[in-house]
Amino acid sequence: AQSVTQPDIHITVSEGASLELRCNYSYGATPYLFWYVQSPGQGLQLLLKYFSGDTLVQGIKGFEAEFKRSQSSFNLRKPSVHWSDAAEYFCAVGLNTGGFKTIFGAGTRLFVKA
Amino acid sequence: DTEVTQTPKHLVMGMTNKKSLKCEQHMGHRAMYWYKQKAKKPPELMFVYSYEKLSINESVPSRFSPECPNSSLLNLHLHALQPEDSALYLCASSQDMRENSPLHFGNGTRLTVT
Repeated sequence: AQSVTQPDIHITVSEGASLELRCNYSYGATPYLFWYVQSPGQGLQLLLKYFSGDTLVQGIKGFEAEFKRSQSSFNLRKPSVHWSDAAEYFCAVGLNTGGFKTIFGAGTRLFVKA
Repeated sequence: DTEVTQTPKHLVMGMTNKKSLKCEQHMGHRAMYWYKQKAKKPPELMFVYSYEKLSINESVPSRFSPECPNSSLLNLHLHALQPEDSALYLCASSQDMRENSPLHFGNGTRLTVT
């Protein structure tokens, strides 16, 4: 069955440190992959998306993600984290399962310490 | 600022009440969605409208009744809810229902059923 796995429930990084959030997917064909961010009490905001082509994609707020087919991964990275990046991050895959759906991973909560 | 507007932001209702959640977008999107999100969980798809027709119903109980009066508006009518229905209800829209169409979310309605 198609699925999205985010192995880390929460991660804590120091402000200014680099960040990598992991995402693995299980899908037979080339997936459409997304990263969304949700700040407390708010809806989800699209950070970036991958459909095809260059496997390193740039997004908003200084985030980037790399698609690695061999590892079935789409990890999110940021070189220097800011306190305002503290939020919940969801990896998602768009797929057709008899109807077009977006399947979300369980999410990773990012804590940023001063 | 979000381009998908949801009202009200908060709603407290008793189990015998009837209330409605409203969602509006003016991006010309032709697909609109209702998601339910419990605390510390990813959004769960409830309904999808495509070109104002109900396309997906994820086996949602009949006490939730969606309505799409036109391409910009989406309602969710609530009746005889249970306390376990308390959650954040998110509306989203996308250009269409293709699997590579990113979702644009509103900030949600925080529903408490007493």
